[in-house]
Amino acid sequence: QSVLTQPPSVSAAPGQKVTISCSGSSSNIGNNYVSWYQQLPGTAPKLLIYDNNKRPSGIPDRFSGSKSGTSATLDITGLQTGDEADYYCGTWDSSLSTVVFGGGTKLTVL
Amino acid sequence: QVQLVESGGGVVQPGRSLRLSCAASGFTFRSYAMHWVRQGPGKGLEWVAVIWFDGSVKYLADSVKGRFSISRDNSKNTVFLQMNSLSPEDTAVYYCARDRGTGTPKSFEYWGQGTQVTVSS
Repeated sequence: QSVLTQPPSVSAAPGQKVTISCSGSSSNIGNNYVSWYQQLPGTAPKLLIYDNNKRPSGIPDRFSGSKSGTSATLDITGLQTGDEADYYCGTWDSSLSTVVFGGGTKLTVL
Repeated sequence: QVQLVESGGGVVQPGRSLRLSCAASGFTFRSYAMHWVRQGPGKGLEWVAVIWFDGSVKYLADSVKGRFSISRDNSKNTVFLQMNSLSPEDTAVYYCARDRGTGTPKSFEYWGQGTQVTVSS
């Protein structure tokens, strides 16, 4: 059971928008920055969003993040078949003194 | 460019030990916190350990506390994960990752390709 809660799967058609949620508590999301990772099949994870809503160089603006209270959200617009991957949220938990991840969300582009 | 190359994985019997290494290049190694993250077969990401930029602070996941330890050699741009008393539940791909900051974890900015650890008799 993951400390952060994500939906196991989401799906949408090419060109559409999808939202992936990540729910936590005051000890993690509520008081720390959230990051998001994309893991394409058979590859290492890649940083998509850091500090709740910032994109590393090279990440298209189709990917955006936000945080409100103890929840965070990853939005992906203009879906492409190449976006099919597992997506993870992560943050520091100040009470546990550990990094915590969500269980991951599998995105299917229909 | 930033490169993280893990090594030391393999097949090991339950109860034995293994030491993973992660060689870093392309950045000032001594200026960043470093992590180990693992992923069991068909499972999600599980954070394992972090070490501060200067090695002064280390944190470990409860699942490995007392069995694993993390260390670094800033003169050799390498971070290590010593794994003792291994069990089948430790079977996973182990990734080395560089943090964006020096201490309290912010995000995993760069990842290695991973090294497979299989614990089986």
